[in-house]
Amino acid sequence: GENVEQHPSTLSVQEGDSAVIKCTYSDSASNYFPWYKQELGKRPQLIIDIRSNVGEKKDQRIAVTLNKTAKHFSLHITETQPEDSAVYFCAFKAAGNKLTFGGGTRVLVKP
Amino acid sequence: DAGVIQSPRHEVTEMGQEVTLRCKPISGHDYLFWYRQTMMRGLELLIYFNNNVPIDDSGMPEDRFSAKMPNASFSTLKIQPSEPRDSAVYFCASRRQGEANVLTFGAGSRLTVL
Repeated sequence: GENVEQHPSTLSVQEGDSAVIKCTYSDSASNYFPWYKQELGKRPQLIIDIRSNVGEKKDQRIAVTLNKTAKHFSLHITETQPEDSAVYFCAFKAAGNKLTFGGGTRVLVKP
Repeated sequence: DAGVIQSPRHEVTEMGQEVTLRCKPISGHDYLFWYRQTMMRGLELLIYFNNNVPIDDSGMPEDRFSAKMPNASFSTLKIQPSEPRDSAVYFCASRRQGEANVLTFGAGSRLTVL
């Protein structure tokens, strides 16, 4: 069935260090892989996405890589700042038009 | 654009009561999704609509849950009767068909069933 595993579930980094979150998905037909950031008490918001015809995409301090052969994709945050502290969700577009979300990674950036 | 609008933002009710959550999607968006978020189960898709028609309701927990979309600008998620295990944040989200699959979430409705 449609499933995505996200690791780690929690991640604590020192300010300025990098953070990496990995997701593995099951549906080989998936072609769209977004990442959402959810701050405490707020709604999930899209921060970056990648399509299956691209291996990597960057937007300032965040980047996403996709390995379709291995069916995994990763979020990289460089030069982390306290405002990066949040829960991050990976997702993929499975059969039909719905997004399936990973379990989330709680990132804490320590000043 | 005001974004996806949900109401109420918070609701506290007693077990057995009926709960109705409301959502107004972004104007022009063809798809509307209802998600439930809990600590234990994360973000779960309950049901989604395309052009006001329910497409996939396989995530609806049980018969106590129902959702409607009478027109393009309004949807409801109803729980009757409510139970304590229904306590969660319920998010509505919408997107435009053909657009880059970008899903926009509402602020959520936090439901507490005592």
